[in-house]
Amino acid sequence: EIVLIQTPPSSPITLGQPASISCRSTQSLVHSDGNTYLTWLQQRPGLPLRALIYKISNRFSGVPDRFSGSGAGTDFTLKISRVEAEDVGVYFCMQLTHFPITFGQGTRLEIQ
Amino acid sequence: QVQLVESGGGVVQPGKSLRLSCVGSGFTYSSHALHWVRQPPGKGLEWLAVIAYDGGQKFYADSVKGRFTISKNNSNNTLFLQLNSLRADDTAVYFCARAPYFRLVGDTMRAGDNAFDVWGQGTTVTVSS
Repeated sequence: EIVLIQTPPSSPITLGQPASISCRSTQSLVHSDGNTYLTWLQQRPGLPLRALIYKISNRFSGVPDRFSGSGAGTDFTLKISRVEAEDVGVYFCMQLTHFPITFGQGTRLEIQ
Repeated sequence: QVQLVESGGGVVQPGKSLRLSCVGSGFTYSSHALHWVRQPPGKGLEWLAVIAYDGGQKFYADSVKGRFTISKNNSNNTLFLQLNSLRADDTAVYFCARAPYFRLVGDTMRAGDNAFDVWGQGTTVTVSS
């Protein structure tokens, strides 16, 4: 199965400053249909998991534009342009290209 | 409001069984595939199982195949996960999540562009003697 490795495991963040999380796959996530099914999720304390980004760079409905995704093949990045207090939590990448679906181990963002 | 609500978790002894439920509202339940995902305490997410919109196709992670069974009742918008032969390492928060569809043909999976767009809040299963 595909292994997704996220770095860093945790990151102190400063309000108003950018933040970035990396997700690397052990195999290419390019599907036979040409798409790359890489999704980013956010987990905040006491709230349901929230989907942020799908197919590398597409924001789900209602996701602020300070969140952006990029990458290709095996290397992907989630960026927050200006961190807000509500962005504290754990972020996961997940791949839906190869069965079974797998997740990265998570990156915890904490206010510095 | 689109929503998924899980229930049925609890404390259970090793070897026993439990049935989890996930009720959907605010969307056409019968038109969506549904997934189960779990998260052990302090750990990451693990995908467990998926069921097609009509309940016709079901797929499982190797870690739970043969012990867990996914099912769906579209008449009352409810997804189930039957957990049998429970072990201590099944202790986790169990989540359900929505997807537009799911197909697996050979090695080719199609889970939908915006799969996992809605998640429940989770239900906690603790396996302990």
